[in-house]
Amino acid sequence: KNEVEQSPQNLTAQEGEFITINCSYSVGISALHWLQQHPGGGIVSLFMLSSGKKKHGRLIATINIQEKHSSLHITASHPRDSAVYICAVDRGSARQLTFGSGTQLTVLP
Amino acid sequence: ETGVTQSPTHLIKTRGQQVTLRCSSQSGHNTVSWYQQALGQGPQFIFQYYREEENGRGNFPPRFSGLQFPNYSSELNVNALELDDSALYLCASSSSGKEETQYFGPGTRLLVL
Repeated sequence: KNEVEQSPQNLTAQEGEFITINCSYSVGISALHWLQQHPGGGIVSLFMLSSGKKKHGRLIATINIQEKHSSLHITASHPRDSAVYICAVDRGSARQLTFGSGTQLTVLP
Repeated sequence: ETGVTQSPTHLIKTRGQQVTLRCSSQSGHNTVSWYQQALGQGPQFIFQYYREEENGRGNFPPRFSGLQFPNYSSELNVNALELDDSALYLCASSSSGKEETQYFGPGTRLLVL
């Protein structure tokens, strides 16, 4: 069993829909990251959180440390949100990340 | 402030050859991590360098080695290339502050034939 599991693996939505991507982990962590990867490979860090909730524009990330679970929400989705969203956990203070396998999101116009 | 850059962007090698990939960290960052991402999978941690010393290593054989220079740029060297080494290689830089996230480069796509 992988230490970081994401669901769903693939997600297709219509423009404007509310989207949720889930991440569960089985190890102790110091922080959890949500990352976005576009075709071609470039990765952008969206959030780093160790408790509670963070919001940036239409993106919201939450984490429940007791349940070892995090969610990434996208409100009013848009085709430009189409990308792979990756959850990664930091098990120490050195930011040596363990990644999930990613969720491929496609938002249709 | 420049971002993280990597070179080359693409590379084709044959089995048994050696390759060197380069990463230039974001200004002010003293930590660099290298990751291997096979097609359709999440990245896997290779190793991390902090102030020119290796600061942690993932489950990769010794033919994967690295260097960090005084200006905090970094190299990843892979000897005796195997077909399974074909992947996207990503570097990410960060500072040592606890709340600092990592900034990723665009990656080098390596194909081993």
